[in-house]
Amino acid sequence: DVKVTQSSRYLVKRTGEKVFLECVQDMDHENMFWYRQDPGLGLRLIYFSYDVKMKEKGDIPEGYSVSREKKERFSLILESASTNQTSMYLCASSPHIRAQYFGPGTRLTVL
Amino acid sequence: QQQVKQSPQSLIVQKGGISIINCAYENTAFDYFPWYQQFPGKGPALLIAIRPDVSEKKEGRFTISFNKSAKQFSLHIMDSQPGDSATYFCAARKGEGAQKLVFGQGTRLTINP
Repeated sequence: DVKVTQSSRYLVKRTGEKVFLECVQDMDHENMFWYRQDPGLGLRLIYFSYDVKMKEKGDIPEGYSVSREKKERFSLILESASTNQTSMYLCASSPHIRAQYFGPGTRLTVL
Repeated sequence: QQQVKQSPQSLIVQKGGISIINCAYENTAFDYFPWYQQFPGKGPALLIAIRPDVSEKKEGRFTISFNKSAKQFSLHIMDSQPGDSATYFCAARKGEGAQKLVFGQGTRLTINP
């Protein structure tokens, strides 16, 4: 079974803090993704990576950055958290586009 | 802008009934259309998918109907069960080799016993 794990299920941070969300997959997948999920808006792609040290902007990259130093790990960074970044963050990995495997999500609250 | 529009936002169906969720798209370059199912506290999981060269795909109680000319596709859940209660997302891929999916807004389905 493919396993995608995210470092925290719940996180509470203050405005202006630097926030790191970690994602690890155990299936040697090339592609990894970060989404945010908001009611009524579905899943929106923030960034994705198709190889180590490679990244590409998604639909809503503003206020976020990513890091992929190892194939199994993809980190999402909020440089200076703001209240409008309060959301559910989902990480996914895939060997090919026909199936993306999602982690359980991190619910981030920015106060 | 939402490239894939999904409706309804929420749906309540009686046990044994048919659940129908609809999606529409504009971009004719989309070439693969998956549906994902998400239970509370879990990440979405691939449920069923279709390519535009077929009009229907069935897997058990789940069927995708695809209308290429209307640029619409829908998920039908036959004999809906309380265990089907979840949020459903349609999605689309932009062309062969593309790595990204575009998701619809999601439908929260509740099956009443």
